[in-house]
Amino acid sequence: AIQMTQSPSSLSASVGDRVTITCRASQDIRNDLGWYQQKPGKAPELLIYAASRLQSGVPSRFSGSGSGTDFTLTISSLQPEDFATYHCLQDYNIPYTFGQGTKLEIK
Amino acid sequence: EVQLLESGGGLVQPGGSLRLSCAASGFSFSSYAMTWVRQAPGKGLEWVSSTSGSGGATYYADSVKGRFTISRDNSENTLYLQMNSLRAGDTAVYYCARRTGGKGLDVWGQGTTVSVSS
Repeated sequence: AIQMTQSPSSLSASVGDRVTITCRASQDIRNDLGWYQQKPGKAPELLIYAASRLQSGVPSRFSGSGSGTDFTLTISSLQPEDFATYHCLQDYNIPYTFGQGTKLEIK
Repeated sequence: EVQLLESGGGLVQPGGSLRLSCAASGFSFSSYAMTWVRQAPGKGLEWVSSTSGSGGATYYADSVKGRFTISRDNSENTLYLQMNSLRAGDTAVYYCARRTGGKGLDVWGQGTTVSVSS
């Protein structure tokens, strides 16, 4: 199975900060990677698909980059509603695998 | 509106069974592969099982293979997960999700909670 290593596991930041979260795949997954946001008690929501494509309705302060094995989610200017947990997911092949998650907290 | 609504969760004893349902609406259900994902308390997300649009192809995580069965009724727009021989480690919120080719899991249900305990 492809392993997804996500870092950091937690992150403290302030409103207005720029933050970056990374995921590394244990093998080449082309661009078959998505980023998801999850708030407490809620289901995950798709932010970015195909590594860099913004899901409809998602604010443009979210962006994704990368291909192959290394991927990045960037939030350009944190807003209060962005404090949540973020997950990456590879759907290149089955078993699909998630990163461990990054909890983004208010500093 | 595209929507997925899970049901069927609850408290069950170890070794017991449970069947989860996921009712889909607002899209052509049979055109999409569907997936179950779970999240144990305080833990990350774990892929559990997927099925093709027709239901003819099914896939399972090693952790549930031989115990769980995914199925779908396209006439009823409903996805199922039959869970047998449940263990404490199966305790989690179970989500169903739609897979759109090239877009990953783009629609999720709200989740249903399964607790396995004596």
